[in-house]
Amino acid sequence: DSGVTQTPKHLITATGQRVTLRCSPRSGDLSVYWYQQSLDQGLQFLIQYYNGEERAKGNILERFSAQQFPDLHSELNLSSLELGDSALYFCASSGHTGESYTFGSGTRLTVV
Amino acid sequence: SQQGEEDPQALSIQEGENATMNCSYKTSINNLQWYRQNSGRGLVHLILIRSNEREKHSGRLRVTLDTSKKSSSLLITASRAADTASYFCATDDEANFGNEKLTFGTGTRLTIIP
Repeated sequence: DSGVTQTPKHLITATGQRVTLRCSPRSGDLSVYWYQQSLDQGLQFLIQYYNGEERAKGNILERFSAQQFPDLHSELNLSSLELGDSALYFCASSGHTGESYTFGSGTRLTVV
Repeated sequence: SQQGEEDPQALSIQEGENATMNCSYKTSINNLQWYRQNSGRGLVHLILIRSNEREKHSGRLRVTLDTSKKSSSLLITASRAADTASYFCATDDEANFGNEKLTFGTGTRLTIIP
């Protein structure tokens, strides 16, 4: 157990639907990062939150949004899902600048 | 976009041999990190080397960093079957002041043959 909890582990949904992925960071970590991993794109940075505020944005589609709550857990919302959104979605957390990340075990999203 | 490019993309060696993976990146960095990923699982941090360091060791791992060539290498000595995984380098870019997002490379798939 890495200390970062992601739910659900697996999700199968139809095109056009909306899903919410949840992440609880390691205790004490203020930063949460979301990454998408697909076979043809590798690990792509989506978005970072630090202590409730958005700090950095990467290749995140407009159909995707995220937030970090006062208890520091984060949610990634994916809407109007397309087949190409099928991927592993990872959450990671870190403490201070320059530290390593702790990754969750990921959510495998399959869009059918 | 990918910052790092790992080389080779795939590597198969006999158990007990040493495995070397290389990573090249494009921009100035604060630090470079290596992660391991077992199939379909989360990434696990292996080692972090800062831009002012040239070499670092951790157990059977040895990492080098050459900032003039914008490259790093990861050496795993006396490989074991359990080392079979994908290995990624990740950079904390100098331009990222104020945030700590890591940019990951494309990965090297390492297979240890028992």
